[in-house]
Amino acid sequence: EAGVAQSPRYKIIEKRQSVAFWCNPISGHATLYWYQQILGQGPKLLIQFQNNGVVDDSQLPKDRFSAERLKGVDSTLKIQPAKLEDSAVYLCASSPRGVWGEETQYFGPGTRLLVL
Amino acid sequence: AQSVTQLDSQVPVFEEAPVELRCNYSSSVSVYLFWYVQYPNQGLQLLLKYLSGSTLVKGINGFEAEFNKSQTSFHLRKPSVHISDTAEYFCAVSERSGNTPLVFGKGTRLSVIA
Repeated sequence: EAGVAQSPRYKIIEKRQSVAFWCNPISGHATLYWYQQILGQGPKLLIQFQNNGVVDDSQLPKDRFSAERLKGVDSTLKIQPAKLEDSAVYLCASSPRGVWGEETQYFGPGTRLLVL
Repeated sequence: AQSVTQLDSQVPVFEEAPVELRCNYSSSVSVYLFWYVQYPNQGLQLLLKYLSGSTLVKGINGFEAEFNKSQTSFHLRKPSVHISDTAEYFCAVSERSGNTPLVFGKGTRLSVIA
C-alpha cells in the first residue's frame, strides 16, 4: 500500500513570504495530522483532522498558519507570512480512525523548510 | 497534560553491543506509550507500542520495551545492535481518556559504530 505522500520535500523562502505544503494520506485513513519538528526536538502537533473536520488545532499559530482538508482526503498547510522561527520539518501523518490515542500513526517523509 | 523526557540526547554504541534508550513520562491519568524511529531524511516509523496487558512489548527489528508504571518509564532495549539501527528514536505518550494528541520526547540519536 502506498504511504503518506508529501510535497515539496524541500523549500527555501525569505521571511515574510508565504509557503504551502501538500499531503496525501494513506487511502482510507480518516485522520490526518500535521506536525512541526524543529531541529533537535520531537514533533509537535499543529492540527488534527477527522475526515474534513478539525479535531484539535490548539497549537496552531492561527495568525499565520492555516490548514484545510476540504474533501476529507488530501490536505494543505500554509504559512503566511513566514518567520525565521518557522524553519523546521513539517510532517504529515495519518491513521485509520485516530479518535482514540492508541492508533499507530503513519508518517510521510516531511517537508524541510528554511526561512532566510 | 502529559510530558515525555528522554534522558539521553545521544547514545554511541559499538556494533553487536546491547543498548538501552531511556524514556520517562509524566501524566495524571493512564497512558498509551510508543517508540518511533526516524531514519535520515525519512518520516517516523512505529517500532512498538504499549496499550495494555503484558508490560514487556516486542517490536520490529529486534527491539523491545518494558512499561514500568511505578517508575513511569518505558525504556527501549536491543540485545545486539547493527549499523542499520543508526537513527533518531522518539518516545511518545497519549492519554487513554478522550482524544488527546500524541506528545513526543526530544529524541535520542543512536549512533552504531563499526
